[in-house]
Amino acid sequence: EAGVAQSPRYKIIEKRQSVAFWCNPISGHATLYWYQQILGQGPKLLIQFQNNGVVDDSQLPKDRFSAERLKGVDSTLKIQPAKLEDSAVYLCASSFSWREVDTQYFGPGTRLTVL
Amino acid sequence: QKEVEQDPGPLSVPEGAIVSLNCTYSNSAFQYFMWYRQYSRKGPELLMYTYSSGNKEDGRFTAQVDKSSKYISLFIRDSQPSDSATYLCAMSGVQGAQKLVFGQGTRLTINP
Repeated sequence: EAGVAQSPRYKIIEKRQSVAFWCNPISGHATLYWYQQILGQGPKLLIQFQNNGVVDDSQLPKDRFSAERLKGVDSTLKIQPAKLEDSAVYLCASSFSWREVDTQYFGPGTRLTVL
Repeated sequence: QKEVEQDPGPLSVPEGAIVSLNCTYSNSAFQYFMWYRQYSRKGPELLMYTYSSGNKEDGRFTAQVDKSSKYISLFIRDSQPSDSATYLCAMSGVQGAQKLVFGQGTRLTINP
């Protein structure tokens, strides 16, 4: 079974620029998550999708971050404009459903550096 | 105060030692408790999953949950160099929608 795919793996941009990350979840997984992991910290949930609908985006900085999951499969996360404090690893995860017992499988992440 | 507190370490032990990793939490609504392992430059992977209080064993790994003390532990027996990684505790159950709240992670090194 193929895992969660993310691209790019690394990205370096200057502040105020825009950036987009892509995620392809495990086939058949209805629930998709985007996390932000700042160096030395645990992942923090940014947004959760159930199919193509948003379940939770309470911690997404909506003035600069946006995410979509068209057709309930792939997802993109965008930052516009980026700030220095956005430097982090952005992890995508997927699970079969939203139920607690369903394991979240994580991708390798995209490491973003904002200069 | 953070919802989940975890000592970041680093923790360094000799091969074969018993390792104890711990987290405390403040939200009594948490019902599901997990331990994830994260190797450098990789995403977290689920190690252990426990519902409510009690113990769970899987090979060399044992997870314990004490809801009365709001305290969870992961024990690693006969530790191996391949166990060297960051260990993250995670919890959910507040909204019933699998919203995981992670601890900071403990960086563990097993020395041969």
